[in-house]
Amino acid sequence: KAGVTQTPRYLIKTRGQQVTLSCSPISGHRSVSWYQQTPGQGLQFLFEYFSETQRNKGNFPGRFSGRQFSNSRSEMNVSTLELGDSALYLCASSLSGDDGYTFGSGTRLTVV
Amino acid sequence: GEDVEQSLFLSVREGDSSVINCTYTDSSSTYLYWYKQEPGAGLQLLTYIFSNMDMKQDQRLTVLLNKKDKHLSLRIADTQTGDSAIYFCAESFSGGYNKLIFGAGTRLAVHP
Repeated sequence: KAGVTQTPRYLIKTRGQQVTLSCSPISGHRSVSWYQQTPGQGLQFLFEYFSETQRNKGNFPGRFSGRQFSNSRSEMNVSTLELGDSALYLCASSLSGDDGYTFGSGTRLTVV
Repeated sequence: GEDVEQSLFLSVREGDSSVINCTYTDSSSTYLYWYKQEPGAGLQLLTYIFSNMDMKQDQRLTVLLNKKDKHLSLRIADTQTGDSAIYFCAESFSGGYNKLIFGAGTRLAVHP
């Protein structure tokens, strides 16, 4: 069975631009969550979606947003990029959000 | 509050057992996870334990949970060079939280 697919794998953007990252969960999984990984802050929770509804949000500015579609695929968007947004963005899916989370390989975003 | 702590580095000889330790603060967690991350990759779910269990064994991996002390450990038997990676401990919460809180990760170095 296919795993969690994140696209693109790598991205280079300029400060002030915006970016959209995509995540396709494991078939049948309805919960999708996003995490940011940086050397300084480690792994931090961004938000979680279930059946197109955001159920939980981490402590990130409003420039970070997301959505989930009816087929459970999810996108996250970062507007007005800052150098500090450079990170590995990881998506995880689970059946309900209360069980095992499977992560994708991540999208590495570099802001220059 | 939510906090997960791990020691940052562990060095073992090939063939020996590795024990990676983790402490957490929130007793309302439902599941506790161990993830492995190799350079440039996403997070690979190794194993997880429900918070009302004491032990779980899966091939070379043994997870021990001491709820009283809020201490979790991962034992890797017969450690191989392919086990060299960063290991993350994480706790999750149910009841509308639906997120993982990660430790900073333990870098395991396996030498001949």
